[in-house]
Amino acid sequence: DADVTQTPRNRITKTGKRIMLECSQTKGHDRMYWYRQDPGLGLRLIYYSFDVKDINKGEISDGYSVSRQAQAKFSLSLESAIPNQTALYFCATSHGANHEQYFGPGTRLTVT
Amino acid sequence: RKEVEQDPGPFNVPEGATVAFNCTYSNSASQSFFWYRQDCRKEPKLLMSVYSSGNEDGRFTAQLNRASQYISLLIRDSKLSDSATYLCAATFNDYKLSFGAGTTVTVRA
Repeated sequence: DADVTQTPRNRITKTGKRIMLECSQTKGHDRMYWYRQDPGLGLRLIYYSFDVKDINKGEISDGYSVSRQAQAKFSLSLESAIPNQTALYFCATSHGANHEQYFGPGTRLTVT
Repeated sequence: RKEVEQDPGPFNVPEGATVAFNCTYSNSASQSFFWYRQDCRKEPKLLMSVYSSGNEDGRFTAQLNRASQYISLLIRDSKLSDSATYLCAATFNDYKLSFGAGTTVTVRA
């Protein structure tokens, strides 16, 4: 079984809809991250969380919100989806001061 | 200036060849460096960490040059299965790992 899972894997939604992407991990890591990837732009950090009570904005948090429901679960919400949020979204985990990050399989989101 | 920059390539090489490429980083305080491999539309997978003394894992060798602020990846005896996009990453501060946009390598038979 995968250590980091994401649901859904693919999603098509309409402009203005609220959508939630979910991430779960069995690695026992305390830190979790949400990234988006666009062609030619690399991975950009949306939000990150060092533990259940710690949530921080990344470089592109506008239009997104997150919830850390448990150490193993970190959800990303798009409050009102817009077409330029069409991207590949990855969840990642790491542990403590070790910066090695491990990624989930990604969610391909299309906003029409 | 981007925090981490890479030559996007593509680097097209025949099987068995050696290919090498670099990644530059802007933050001289960066402490940790990594190479990730990403196959098309899949998640990045950690290939190797890059230590000050360099790091070798089979056919892959990574080097760090702090004076010039770049890391390198060398792949020897390239295999068709090495075709992928290689992302470099550097710590920006305590929490942030900055990624380059990737270097595409295509190994041809």
